Amino acid sequence: LAKTTQPISMDSYEGQEVNITCSHNNIATNDYITWYQQFPSQGPRFIIQGYKTKVTNEVASLFIPADRKSSTLSLPRVSLSDTAVYYCLGEYGNKLVFGAGTILRVKS
Amino acid sequence: EAGVAQSPRYKIIEKRQSVAFWCNPISGHATLYWYQQILGQGPKLLIQFQNNGVVDDSQLPKDRFSAERLKGVDSTLKIQPAKLEDSAVYLCASSLGTGIYGYTFGSGTRLTVV
Repeated sequence: LAKTTQPISMDSYEGQEVNITCSHNNIATNDYITWYQQFPSQGPRFIIQGYKTKVTNEVASLFIPADRKSSTLSLPRVSLSDTAVYYCLGEYGNKLVFGAGTILRVKS
Repeated sequence: EAGVAQSPRYKIIEKRQSVAFWCNPISGHATLYWYQQILGQGPKLLIQFQNNGVVDDSQLPKDRFSAERLKGVDSTLKIQPAKLEDSAVYLCASSLGTGIYGYTFGSGTRLTVV
């Protein structure tokens, strides 16, 4: 079962745009790519999901190239409250597989 | 819309004791998951239910862990006997289905085995 790979941590400052890239080389043709956010002492929270090209919602944008071997989560103008762990998931068949996640620290 | 409810929020037990966790998913969600999250790691799927049937329990340590979903709604996860390495947060999630639906997680139960 292939897994996702993403940076262990990233630092940013308030107001900046943050891009977190994830690789998922073996994702299946029909599977979606999903990103979750997790704060301490809480369960993961759905951010965005896509299949290919670009998806945008009120929170983030998700860019997926044509080969679907990677995806990039873009958070516009981050604030201190965006400090959290961000998980890139591939849905492999019926399984939602989490990697280790990226710790994003936003500084003032 | 009410979220996924889990209880208890915290539990401390001694090794070799038993413990049970409860989950009430979002109304109408057919799929229910139990995940184990060890500190500093991503959640790991333990078991997946579709209504009251088990879809995947390949990563459930069946010698000590058991789970059931009565009438396709609430679910319980039990550990008997507990080991020190079972210390983790146990997360329950539910969804309408898979793929485009997304998953909603509860806040989890933090288990400490001493």
